[in-house]
Amino acid sequence: KAGVTQTPRYLIKTRGQQVTLSCSPISGHRSVSWYQQTPGQGLQFLFEYFSETQRNKGNFPGRFSGRQFSNSRSEMNVSTLELGDSALYLCASSLVGFTNTEAFFGQGTRLTVV
Amino acid sequence: DQQVKQNSPSLSVQEGRISILNCDYTNSMFDYFLWYKKYPAEGPTFLISISSIKDKNEDGRFTVFLNKSAKHLSLHIVPSQPGDSAVYFCAAKKRDDMRFGAGTRLTVKP
Repeated sequence: KAGVTQTPRYLIKTRGQQVTLSCSPISGHRSVSWYQQTPGQGLQFLFEYFSETQRNKGNFPGRFSGRQFSNSRSEMNVSTLELGDSALYLCASSLVGFTNTEAFFGQGTRLTVV
Repeated sequence: DQQVKQNSPSLSVQEGRISILNCDYTNSMFDYFLWYKKYPAEGPTFLISISSIKDKNEDGRFTVFLNKSAKHLSLHIVPSQPGDSAVYFCAAKKRDDMRFGAGTRLTVKP
């Protein structure tokens, strides 16, 4: 069964631009979470979607937004990019959030803001 | 707010010895804990987990210990192998909310 797919793998953007990242979860998984990984900060939680609804949100500014479609695919958007947004963005899918199942991660999208 | 903390950014051990990675959390509502391993250019992969009703879970060379009163968990790897060299993240979960620590880079020297 296919794993979590994130596209694109690499992105270079200019300050002030916006970017959209995509995540296709494992088939049947309805929960998708997004994380930002930076050196020294580890994995920081952005938000989690379940059945097209945002259920949880981390402490990131409103420039970071997301959505989930009816097929559980999710997109994350960052507007007005800043240099500090350069990071590896990871998404993870899991079956149903209420059960104690581990999340499966994609390979991530490496975003570089110049 | 950093609800899950891994205070050691790096750890170096000799092959064959024990690796002990530590993790502390602040929220007593967390009821499930996980460890993930991450190699460069790959996403984190699940390693082992433990429910808050247990204090130990073992899977081959990997054992996770949970001390709820201290809000502390640890991952023991015995014996350590060079292929274990990676970044290890601990995670704590409550309902649908999962938080990660900053990670510990483990280097196992041959």
